[in-house]
Amino acid sequence: KQEVTQIPAALSVPEGENLVLNCSFTDSAIYNLQWFRQDPGKGLTSLLLIQSSQREQTSGRLNASLDKSSGRSTLYIAASQPGDSATYLCAGTQGGSEKLVFGKGMKLTVNP
Amino acid sequence: DAGITQSPRHKVTETGTPVTLRCHQTENHRYMYWYRQDPGHGLRLIHYSYGVKDTDKGEVSDGYSVSRSKTEDFLLTLESATSSQTSVYFCAISESGAGELFFGEGSRLTVL
Repeated sequence: KQEVTQIPAALSVPEGENLVLNCSFTDSAIYNLQWFRQDPGKGLTSLLLIQSSQREQTSGRLNASLDKSSGRSTLYIAASQPGDSATYLCAGTQGGSEKLVFGKGMKLTVNP
Repeated sequence: DAGITQSPRHKVTETGTPVTLRCHQTENHRYMYWYRQDPGHGLRLIHYSYGVKDTDKGEVSDGYSVSRSKTEDFLLTLESATSSQTSVYFCAISESGAGELFFGEGSRLTVL
């Protein structure tokens, strides 16, 4: 059974830092990988999707990469801002599956 | 934002009563999903649909049933609610089985 680990569970940093969030899968055969952001009391917002033929995606200050050989993904946040404070979740599918498996998330606090 | 509406957004009910949650989408996406989110467990898939009248089970489907009679609507039914089904329920949609996933705002259910 595929399991997804996000460590640490929480992170508190001062504004302006460049951040690296990690996500790892027990089965490295990841087909698609998606990063989400969740604000308190809200649904999940899609940040980046890395599809099967890709290795990374970028959107503004965010960059996500996927190393399929190790089953690890990284979300890089440049020049963090207080507005980046949220819980970040990664999720992946395996080839032939229509189901995303989610990590439990990492709560990020960016202090002014 | 993807056009996904969940109703009701909040519900309190008693053990043993039936409950139906509704997810309505305006995106004409083929796939629809129901997840529950609980502290310590993260997001877990309950059921999903890959077309009208086509549904399949997720990892925590016991005690839940679903129906999809129209592309835009996906219903989640708890035939006889139990306290263990107290949770936040999220609907999600996707154009394809491994495509980008978009979430609704969630429905908070409390079973007393």
